[in-house]
Amino acid sequence: RKEVEQDPGPFNVPEGATVAFNCTYSNSASQSFFWYRQDCRKEPKLLMSVYSSGNEDGRFTAQLNRASQYISLLIRDSKLSDSATYLCVVNNPGSNYQLIWGAGTKLIIKP
Amino acid sequence: EAGVAQSPRYKIIEKRQSVAFWCNPISGHATLYWYQQILGQGPKLLIQFQNNGVVDDSQLPKDRFSAERLKGVDSTLKIQPAKLEDSAVYLCASSQFPNYGYTFGSGTRLTVV
Repeated sequence: RKEVEQDPGPFNVPEGATVAFNCTYSNSASQSFFWYRQDCRKEPKLLMSVYSSGNEDGRFTAQLNRASQYISLLIRDSKLSDSATYLCVVNNPGSNYQLIWGAGTKLIIKP
Repeated sequence: EAGVAQSPRYKIIEKRQSVAFWCNPISGHATLYWYQQILGQGPKLLIQFQNNGVVDDSQLPKDRFSAERLKGVDSTLKIQPAKLEDSAVYLCASSQFPNYGYTFGSGTRLTVV
């Protein structure tokens, strides 16, 4: 089992729709969780951290489910500019708290 | 605040040649990382520095890759000799605290032919 797993997609979603994707992680001791956004041929950029209580930033909501070892990202009222690859990142306490990156989920918002 | 600077942006070399990449982190960021990102995959950590010391280089192919951060500021990553499978984007990132709040540079896209 991979340490961090994501559905590669692509998710093809009409503009204005709500889309959600999950990311599962294997190490139950992981403590830090992030979602990064990566545009085509660009570097990853931090979208949001994921807290135990969940957090919301505008149209974006991130949730953590420790019991089932997954994090989720919900995007409401999707915009064309949301088209990107979304990378899930989890820390590994057993390896110097190194961040482990998922391969990403590709999202395409269609007009 | 100036971002993480990397150069060159693109590099094409033949296999068995050598290549070097340069990174200048955000001022004051003690932690510096080099990542390799192959097309369709997430970034893979090659090496992590804390100031000028190596924290983690467990995934660095040391027979051909080397990295240094001599004065605890900028860093270079070298590949010698390059193989076809080294074709990837090499990303440098820095953070004020280890493994938190990364900022990435724009990366160097390496093609080995």
